[in-house]
Amino acid sequence: EVHLVESGGGLVQPGRSLRLSCVASGFIFDDYAMHWVRQAPGKGLEWVSGITWNSGRINYADSVKGRFTVSRDNAKNSLYLQMNSLTIADTALYFCARNQGYLDYWGQGTLVTVSS
Amino acid sequence: EIVLTQSPGTLSLSPGERATLSCRASQIVSSTYLGWYQQKPGQAPRLLIYGASSRATGIPDRFTGSASGTDFTLTISRLEPEDFAVYYCHQYGISPYTFGQGTKVGIK
Repeated sequence: EVHLVESGGGLVQPGRSLRLSCVASGFIFDDYAMHWVRQAPGKGLEWVSGITWNSGRINYADSVKGRFTVSRDNAKNSLYLQMNSLTIADTALYFCARNQGYLDYWGQGTLVTVSS
Repeated sequence: EIVLTQSPGTLSLSPGERATLSCRASQIVSSTYLGWYQQKPGQAPRLLIYGASSRATGIPDRFTGSASGTDFTLTISRLEPEDFAVYYCHQYGISPYTFGQGTKVGIK
């Protein structure tokens, strides 16, 4: 059974950094691209970033470009999101999701709250 | 960036009724790259439809997706109590990948 478990969220001050992790199980991790999607409280879904199986192609939403860095460690079945220069607008539940083109499996998310 | 506009924002229906949800793209999106997701409060999104009209594993056949040009439709033929939720369309053909703003299907 496919499982994706995010961690690393928390309360952080504006301008600070945070690193999210997503550990995958139940499938061959390095066969798949992976994505991050976020959801601000009471709002809709916003795609954040995607990374191919070998990290050969990486994409970001304009809202995070230059501040967030996605990476993966296939040996650890893990996906990461390094978030720098955080702003209040980055407050959201962050989901990792497996890519089949569409996003077929999602984790339960980790909450990031940016507040002074 | 491809903007997906969903309508209506909210749909109030009774169990057993038919729900028709629309998603319009601001530019051409290949049907291959359009999906629909269902999200219930406190839960992650769940894939319903991919490739505009293919049902994901385990999705009942009362859920149907269709496409016509830049217009995409999700139809729920007869609403079951568990179908009351928020639905999002999603294009994954051109980066940045984008979602519609969602349609809430609520109980009348």
